[in-house]
Amino acid sequence: AQKITQTQPGMFVQEKEAVTLDCTYDTSDPSYGLFWYKQPSSGEMIFLIYQGSYDQQNATEGRYSLNFQKARKSANLVISASQLGDSAMYFCAMRGFQGGSEKLVFGKGMKLTVNP
Amino acid sequence: DAGVTQSPTHLIKTRGQHVTLRCSPISGHKSVSWYQQVLGQGPQFIFQYYEKEERGRGNFPDRFSARQFPNYSSELNVNALLLGDSALYLCASSPNPGTGGFNEQFFGPGTRLTVL
Repeated sequence: AQKITQTQPGMFVQEKEAVTLDCTYDTSDPSYGLFWYKQPSSGEMIFLIYQGSYDQQNATEGRYSLNFQKARKSANLVISASQLGDSAMYFCAMRGFQGGSEKLVFGKGMKLTVNP
Repeated sequence: DAGVTQSPTHLIKTRGQHVTLRCSPISGHKSVSWYQQVLGQGPQFIFQYYEKEERGRGNFPDRFSARQFPNYSSELNVNALLLGDSALYLCASSPNPGTGGFNEQFFGPGTRLTVL
């Protein structure tokens, strides 16, 4: 079974500063994928970044980068130059399989607040 | 291109009633997954449908059922509603599940169900 742990309930950061959101995972599968999603108050889950377990380099997407440390089973999200619009809930997720289905296993999330 | 759409946006029901939630996937996507997100938690996998067949289900009681239509839209049905069913119900579509690698699930805005 897959498990995602996000222990930070909330974080505050000043606009234009960088922030790291922690995520640790557990799985017995040799091949897996890790995702980060952003959920604003409107409720929609917005995909941010993906890291495959066999990817040689850490994933980057614009201001988002993923600090992937396989031996430590961590996949922290780094947001550079925070913007007010980054205030939202952030969820780390892992692709899992149940029976014949493919599903996402999510952590509890953490709330990021960007202050002006 | 239109994203994943869900209806209704909000719904209020009383205990014991039945509810039907609807989801239209992105054009060309043949897989639809349903997730339940209780307040303060990450989304939990309920069902995945692919090519009109159930591929798998999460740990939810038989009161929860779903189906997928020939146009790949989907309905989630919940019978005998309980107070604990109050949640945001998210639908996600993907083009071709189970192929491994990066397979993004695109989420809709969700239906917020309140059971009184």
